[in-house]
This record gives sequence, structure tokens and C-alpha cells, in this order.
Amino acid sequence: GENVEQHPSTLSVQEGDSAVIKCTYSDSASNYFPWYKQELGKRPQLIIDIRSNVGEKKDQRIAVTLNKTAKHFSLHITETQPEDSAVYFCAASGNAGNMLTFGGGTRLMVKP
Amino acid sequence: NAGVTQTPKFRVLKTGQSMTLLCAQDMNHEYMYWYRQDPGMGLRLIHYSVGEGTTAKGEVPDGYNVSRLKKQNFLLGLESAAPSQTSVYFCASSYPTGPFSNQPQHFGDGTRLSIL
Repeated sequence: GENVEQHPSTLSVQEGDSAVIKCTYSDSASNYFPWYKQELGKRPQLIIDIRSNVGEKKDQRIAVTLNKTAKHFSLHITETQPEDSAVYFCAASGNAGNMLTFGGGTRLMVKP
Repeated sequence: NAGVTQTPKFRVLKTGQSMTLLCAQDMNHEYMYWYRQDPGMGLRLIHYSVGEGTTAKGEVPDGYNVSRLKKQNFLLGLESAAPSQTSVYFCASSYPTGPFSNQPQHFGDGTRLSIL
């Protein structure tokens, strides 16, 4: 089955700096890669996703890049703000049941 | 439009007790999922359903059963609760246009379950 690894597990940045979170996946058949943000005690919420026919996608301060050859994808957050502080999860999917396999999460802390 | 609603929000059980967690969605989604999230970890898939009357095993199905008698509801059962099942349980749903045509999964608020 699919295996998704996520790094780093914790990331501390100064407000206004950029943050990058990286994930690798094992199943070359995976074709859908969402990113979720989870605030403490809340539900995971989708912030951006990318499909395998696209190499990069951007939404305001958030961007995701995908390298299918190397089987890795990354989340980039620019101009970080304190409200960006949360746990971020990457995931991968490429099966008939559209099941997601999640990475272990990255706790992002943005210091004012 | 409430989205995905989970009940109950919190529950404490004794070892060996049984209970059912309810997930309801009002988005007419075909696919529904049950995950568990342990402290400091990602979400792991327990069971899922690709339509009314269907269920399938995920990554960690042991000790759980599910049923999807109605399209809008997906039930997760614990027949004999064990302390190892203490976790936060999330339900999710999605509306794929077909197999392999992934669409975003929408999550409920979770059920915090403690087993003593």
C-alpha cells in the first residue's frame, strides 16, 4: 500500500518568513495530493490540493509543488502570520476508493 | 447545510463496553470514511464506503465494524472497547465523479473517545 512520509515534524518560523513542508510517497499510481490544516481541537480542513497532471499550484500565500519522478511534493507558505500556526498534513491517493494516506503531520509555529 | 455531523462529540467507556458512533452528511456524497487520530499522529483509515450498502476495510479495521444502510449515514461500531481504541475519530465524505477521480474529503468535528 501507499506510504507517505512528512518532514519536518515541527517547524518554527518568524512572522513574515516562509515555511516549507515536504512529503514523499511510495506508490507511483498516486495521482491526488491534498494538504490539510488542523488547528488544536478542530477538524482537518483542506487548504490546497494538486493532481498529478500539474506541477505547481498557487493560492494567494500558499503553493504546492509536485515532482512525480522523485515522488515528492511540498507545501510553501509565504509571508507567514501567527494564524498560520497549526498542524499541517499532506496526503496521497490514487486508488479506486479514493482513499487518502496521510503523512505524520508538521506542527508549524509562527512567532510574532 | 450542516456538512458532516458526528455524534456524540465526547464519550467515556469502560473496557468491554460497546458503542456506535454516528456520521451524517447532507451533501449527497457517495463516499464516506472513518479515521482515527492518535496524539501527535496523522489520520489512519479504519473503514470506508463507496456507496449505500457497501463497506470496505482500511488500514486499521480490527476491532471495528461499520454499516452504511442509508446514503447519508455511516456508522462505526465498537463491539468490545479496549484502551487501545482511545482516540479521536473523524468521519469524512467526498463526491467523486468516478473511481480514481479524487475529490476533496470534507471532515466532521470528530468524536473524542476515552476507554478506561
